[in-house]
Amino acid sequence: DVKVTQSSRYLVKRTGEKVFLECVQDMDHENMFWYRQDPGLGLRLIYFSYDVKMKEKGDIPEGYSVSREKKERFSLILESASTNQTSMYLCASYRQGNTGELFFGEGSRLTVL
Amino acid sequence: QKEVEQDPGPLSVPEGAIVSLNCTYSNSAFQYFMWYRQYSRKGPELLMYTYSSGNKEDGRFTAQVDKSSKYISLFIRDSQPSDSATYLCAMSDGSNYKLTFGKGTLLTVNP
Repeated sequence: DVKVTQSSRYLVKRTGEKVFLECVQDMDHENMFWYRQDPGLGLRLIYFSYDVKMKEKGDIPEGYSVSREKKERFSLILESASTNQTSMYLCASYRQGNTGELFFGEGSRLTVL
Repeated sequence: QKEVEQDPGPLSVPEGAIVSLNCTYSNSAFQYFMWYRQYSRKGPELLMYTYSSGNKEDGRFTAQVDKSSKYISLFIRDSQPSDSATYLCAMSDGSNYKLTFGKGTLLTVNP
């Protein structure tokens, strides 16, 4: 069974803290994504990686960075968390050449106080 | 005009009802159309996938695409309480990685 695993389901952090969200996929997919999901705004793409050490900005990259040192792992970093980054964060992966089937993790619910 | 429009609902129906969920879009280059289902506190999962215009059926679910009207639909027959979830439409032109999502419709099926 294919799997995208997000290490933390629920996190509570304070403003200004550095936050790491980790995602691992076991499908040998080239492409990995970080989205955030907010009520009324839907899914918004933060960053995308199409290969190890390669990344591209999505629609809302401000305040975030990413790291992809290994094919199976994609990390989202909030350098200095702010309250407007309270959200559900979803990691997804996608095989090269595929035209639609994203596999999502279960999400990480981050609250910044 | 937003690229993909989806009525957020919420939509509440009795068990056994036929449910119709819809999205409209503006980009005529879209040719791959998907419906994702997302249960509460879970990530979305692919439910239906359609290429270009036409219908696709899978059990109680039917996806329809009308490219001339830029309109896609998902029908659920004999709806069950287990169908209660948020349904997201998504689409792609196939040229790159990026899917464009609707904002999702929250469906509740009451026993």
